[in-house]
Amino acid sequence: NAGVTQTPKFQVLKTGQSMTLQCAQDMNHEYMSWYRQDPGMGLRLIHYSVGAGITDQGEVPNGYNVSRSTTEDFPLRLLSAAPSQTSVYFCASSPTGYPTNEKLFFGSGTQLSVL
Amino acid sequence: GDSVTQMEGPVTLSEEAFLTINCTYTATGYPSLFWYVQYPGEGLQLLLKATKADDKGSNKGFEATYRKETTSFHLEKGSVQVSDSAVYFCALSTSGTYKYIFGTGTRLKVLA
Repeated sequence: NAGVTQTPKFQVLKTGQSMTLQCAQDMNHEYMSWYRQDPGMGLRLIHYSVGAGITDQGEVPNGYNVSRSTTEDFPLRLLSAAPSQTSVYFCASSPTGYPTNEKLFFGSGTQLSVL
Repeated sequence: GDSVTQMEGPVTLSEEAFLTINCTYTATGYPSLFWYVQYPGEGLQLLLKATKADDKGSNKGFEATYRKETTSFHLEKGSVQVSDSAVYFCALSTSGTYKYIFGTGTRLKVLA
């Protein structure tokens, strides 16, 4: 059971480039989300989805785009990378679309540097 | 809005020492509270949780009690090991939302 799989593990971009961070889960989870982790700031929610075709913004959505065409996949797109987007990105999922009492299952993260 | 505040690290302890990592929260509803642990190079994983006041979560020798009167959820362990070295995150999730709120994390280093 692979759980939550994120690719790539490391990425270096130049300012203005675009790219997609991939996230896939094989647990049939309804809820998926993206966080960024920055020193001294903990994890901040970027976007989340409560099911295929349904997405919503989190705390820090600017500069990022998401879609959820299947239950399994939840890609995060950087439209025009900026140095402020240098961070570690985590994808997380939970079984239902209402994770209040449930634990989140995390991927191993993508370390992104924007030069 | 909802928030979580946890003590700043790093915390450095000798093996077998007692550990406390403080966590307090503010929430408009009735949150569930969580502690997650992140080992080097890995994603976060759930350590323990409590879903209502006075509940005690426990796992791997770690404990935390949901204290509504002090809005706290402090993490404790009686005797830490080198393998406990990691970053610990306190988090909450409130009924009616789809969002987890995480604290800033506390790095623990245990020396042999």
